[in-house]
Amino acid sequence: RKEVEQDPGPFNVPEGATVAFNCTYSNSASQSFFWYRQDCRKEPKLLMSVYSSGNEDGRFTAQLNRASQYISLLIRDSKLSDSATYLCVVRRGDKIIFGKGTRLHILP
Amino acid sequence: NAGVTQTPKFQVLKTGQSMTLQCAQDMNHNSMYWYRQDPGMGLRLIYYSASEGTTDKGEVPNGYNVSRLNKREFSLRLESAAPSQTSVYFCASSEAPTATYNEQFFGPGTRLTVL
Repeated sequence: RKEVEQDPGPFNVPEGATVAFNCTYSNSASQSFFWYRQDCRKEPKLLMSVYSSGNEDGRFTAQLNRASQYISLLIRDSKLSDSATYLCVVRRGDKIIFGKGTRLHILP
Repeated sequence: NAGVTQTPKFQVLKTGQSMTLQCAQDMNHNSMYWYRQDPGMGLRLIYYSASEGTTDKGEVPNGYNVSRLNKREFSLRLESAAPSQTSVYFCASSEAPTATYNEQFFGPGTRLTVL
């Protein structure tokens, strides 16, 4: 079993809709959690860290469920510019593990 | 600040040739990383350097060597390139690997093709 797993998608979502992704991690010793965004043929960039109490940044909300070992990302009122691949990232000690990403296409 | 820079941006090699990918960061970060990204495989860690003077193997180190030249620079060397090393290579840096909310900053990538 992979240490970090994501649904690869693609998720095809109409503009203005709400979309949610989950990411599961297998090691309960995982300490920090992040969502990165990667545009086509570009480098990954941090979208948001995921705090234990959950956190929100504009249209984006991240949640952590330690009991079930998953994190989630919710995007409200989706924009065409949200089309990208979303990478789930987990830190365990000095090891940083990337998921393979979930592709999102926002449809006009 | 330029952030993380990588050279070259594109490279085509023949099997058996060698080359060095260069990476530099101007954020005074302690840690630096080399990843490769292949379709359907996600980002895989090749080597990392937690601090100046140290390097450690990642998930896929075979066929590669690294040098942490100083705090700013971390190079990746392919001694004898193979077609299986065709990939996009990303360098990244961060303040410290064990900081709780430790953002990694990535360079723009090097697209390498080995024929």
